[in-house]
Amino acid sequence: NAGVTQTPKFQVLKTGQSMTLQCAQDMNHNSMYWYRQDPGMGLRLIYYSASEGTTDKGEVPNGYNVSRLNKREFSLRLESAAPSQTSVYFCASRDLGTENYEQYFGPGTRLTVT
Amino acid sequence: GQSLEQPSEVTAVEGAIVQINCTYQTSGFYGLSWYQQHDGGAPTFLSYNALDGLEETGRFSSFLSRSDSYGYLLLQELQMKDSASYFCAVLNQAGTALIFGKGTTLSVSS
Repeated sequence: NAGVTQTPKFQVLKTGQSMTLQCAQDMNHNSMYWYRQDPGMGLRLIYYSASEGTTDKGEVPNGYNVSRLNKREFSLRLESAAPSQTSVYFCASRDLGTENYEQYFGPGTRLTVT
Repeated sequence: GQSLEQPSEVTAVEGAIVQINCTYQTSGFYGLSWYQQHDGGAPTFLSYNALDGLEETGRFSSFLSRSDSYGYLLLQELQMKDSASYFCAVLNQAGTALIFGKGTTLSVSS
């Protein structure tokens, strides 16, 4: 099992450009999440999909959109990138049936917006 | 909403014991989780406490006091490889997503 995979690993964008970050999991998990991580700020929840067919806003959703394409895939789109969106983006997934609420994280996408 | 407070940095020497505290404020509480993240890596799950008391897993233990809205992660027999960031986390009010603290950077020296 590959677990949670993310593409690309690195990306540099110019202000105003758009891009989509891809995430896929092969663990048959119901829930998927997008976080961003900035120095000193911890992991902040952008959007999540508790189950296939649903999406909800997290703590910092402005400037982002998401699509739960199917049970395996959850993408994050930046329509018009801004320097404030320079960050490391992590995708995660969780099986709703587990009692310890363990989330599995992908390796991250390092995004720089100039 | 949910908020968590933990120290930003902790330093210790190899072989020592260190405790990383976490206090939280939540609307609805399901339990307290801990994650470890090495530099450049992804966060990985360490422990989860739903009930009061101490849970032990090898050199790591986690404690929860629901009445005090407080928990801690205890790392014993510290090793250099324990140098990492440690995050406490709670579920959001709906119980559907984890909200993380800002993290504690642990530096272990020889």
